[in-house]
Amino acid sequence: GESVGLHLPTLSVQEGDNSIINCAYSNSASDYFIWYKQESGKGPQFIIDIRSNMDKRQGQRVTVLLNKTVKHLSLQIAATQPGDSAVYFCAENQEGNYGNNRLAFGKGNQVVVIP
Amino acid sequence: SQTIHQWPATLVQPVGSPLSLECTVEGTSNPNLYWYRQAAGRGLQLLFYSVGIGQISSEVPQNLSASRPQDRQFILSSKKLLLSDSGFYLCAWTGQANTEAFFGQGTRLTVV
Repeated sequence: GESVGLHLPTLSVQEGDNSIINCAYSNSASDYFIWYKQESGKGPQFIIDIRSNMDKRQGQRVTVLLNKTVKHLSLQIAATQPGDSAVYFCAENQEGNYGNNRLAFGKGNQVVVIP
Repeated sequence: SQTIHQWPATLVQPVGSPLSLECTVEGTSNPNLYWYRQAAGRGLQLLFYSVGIGQISSEVPQNLSASRPQDRQFILSSKKLLLSDSGFYLCAWTGQANTEAFFGQGTRLTVV
């Protein structure tokens, strides 16, 4: 679900290290998940997605892991770079009021890369 | 290719004044449309979403309203702004199937 009342948790990472960002989702019926990256003053940008029939999906320097048993999603960033500094959001596709799917975002995680 | 336009980019409005933010999508038909608000250093709060013309779902009670007069147009409005309406407003669209959301560049609203 959505949680917007708290300051974002911050992950500080040394440049070159791997980053792991975690997300717990709320709806066991959700079947599609997305990770977004938001840089300051901009709209979120798509990073990678995964459907519920998969446990793992890899992109360029990023890997998403899905554990449906505990409703947990993670994003791994390999060899973190200064340009990776941003807020990262997970999103799940939930059923909305009209029976259609709507996208619900997690609270977000601030990643700060230390040169 | 599909594009999403949101304007204005920044807006400063006095308390009690009306608001109209517009979002349009090009290159697709029958999109799901969304309005989100983001306070500084916070997450994304879903305000409204629409699955078709005239079909608006409100997620939280508030001082704002949304309308969808055309298939690819989504408008966020207020009759009288409050200080607490300040924030970063984002419009987004998705396809009807399970797809990613595409976001506009956002509107920074400051109510003074």
